[in-house]
Amino acid sequence: QVELQESGPGLVKPSETLSLTCTVSGGSISGHFYNWIRQSPGKGLEWIGYIYNGGHIHFNPSLKSRVAISSRTSDNEFSLTLTSVTAADTAVYYCARRGRTPTLAWYFDLWGRGTLVTVSS
Amino acid sequence: QSALTQPASVSGSPGQSITISCTGAGSDFGGYNSISWYQQHPDKAPKLVIYEVTNRPSGVSDRFSGSTSGNTASLTISGLQAEDEADYYCSASRTSVTLVEFGGGTRLTVL
Repeated sequence: QVELQESGPGLVKPSETLSLTCTVSGGSISGHFYNWIRQSPGKGLEWIGYIYNGGHIHFNPSLKSRVAISSRTSDNEFSLTLTSVTAADTAVYYCARRGRTPTLAWYFDLWGRGTLVTVSS
Repeated sequence: QSALTQPASVSGSPGQSITISCTGAGSDFGGYNSISWYQQHPDKAPKLVIYEVTNRPSGVSDRFSGSTSGNTASLTISGLQAEDEADYYCSASRTSVTLVEFGGGTRLTVL
């Protein structure tokens, strides 16, 4: 059974860089679109971006200038970097897998438990 | 500002049916073949309950169903149970550019 687990610092200072890793266990990271999604406290969900097979990457235009996503296939993990953070970036960050489909549909069939990142001095 | 609009809250009594709507806006809103629905209990990760408008993942109760009409997608939960009390989010992707969006969420209260 495939599982996703986020890890990283729970506290980041304003203007610094947020870095998180998602470890995929029970299956290969290859062949799936892996995503980062966040949820601000008491708010809705925001899609951040995805990585596919290590080289195909795409971001939400609203965050594109500050976001990077990379992967390490050998370790079956992928990572998120968000620069110049502010209090508005305080959120629970989830990694999630796009479901396999022959269509253009986007849906997320597997989620990590999420990790809370607080931006504060 | 999401292009997907959901009611803030809905409620129903055990055994009843409820419907949560998700209305698209904007001229470039993608085709509804990409609508999915997620259930989120407090302090838990979202769980996929409907994908590609009408499909249920394995293990999801057949009390959950999805549909579309015009520019509105709907999630219907029949035979309401206490465990259905949660937040529900719709999601869709635009066809003009790869961008996945979520609705603002609907809080379902089982009375």
